[in-house]
Amino acid sequence: DQQVKQNSPSLSVQEGRISILNCDYTNSMFDYFLWYKKYPAEGPTFLISISSIKDKNEDGRFTVFLNKSAKHLSLHIVPSQPGDSAVYFCAAIGFGNEKLTFGTGTRLTIIP
Amino acid sequence: DGGITQSPKYLFRKEGQNVTLSCEQNLNHDAMYWYRQDPGQGLRLIYYSQIVNDFQKGDIAEGYSVSREKKESFPLTVTSAQKNPTAFYLCASSPGPRLGEKLFFGSGTQLSVL
Repeated sequence: DQQVKQNSPSLSVQEGRISILNCDYTNSMFDYFLWYKKYPAEGPTFLISISSIKDKNEDGRFTVFLNKSAKHLSLHIVPSQPGDSAVYFCAAIGFGNEKLTFGTGTRLTIIP
Repeated sequence: DGGITQSPKYLFRKEGQNVTLSCEQNLNHDAMYWYRQDPGQGLRLIYYSQIVNDFQKGDIAEGYSVSREKKESFPLTVTSAQKNPTAFYLCASSPGPRLGEKLFFGSGTQLSVL
């Protein structure tokens, strides 16, 4: 049972444009959400997070939006740069499920 | 500088053989984790440890074993009972207080079967 879903396995975006990566979850007990970025043959690195008491969190070019009623979050990258090409994992954690649950990832390719 | 060190980078296992993947951290984190990544799949939790001399099974613990004799070290043994061991293995640690929050990952070990 996939509790965290990233339905787009891949996404291509022109350099300088906005990249929008989406994530859906089914467990209403999740209360903290994270995005990780992963390059090939490397470990993931933490990118940005959001608590369920917020609906937006911003860090430089990266913004995460949370829609609790829709059980949906999205990561916006503006402007997209070639170094943003990587696999992005959405993850969630919550009461009653205290282990981080990962989505299947979205491969983002930035086209120069 | 602080971080998580995994070794080796690449490992090959023969049929019926046990192999051990090393993970060392100097971040002074209490919690450590082992994840497995397969192509097109998310990271799946194998084992985790919140304190020295204690560890818990994750979602896919069968065929694996761990130990936590020191705070800095959390080795993973892939036993012959693991029938599909080929995968990219990631070790991680976290400062807490919530389990699994803001993980710091090592660079991974690619395990292949000969």
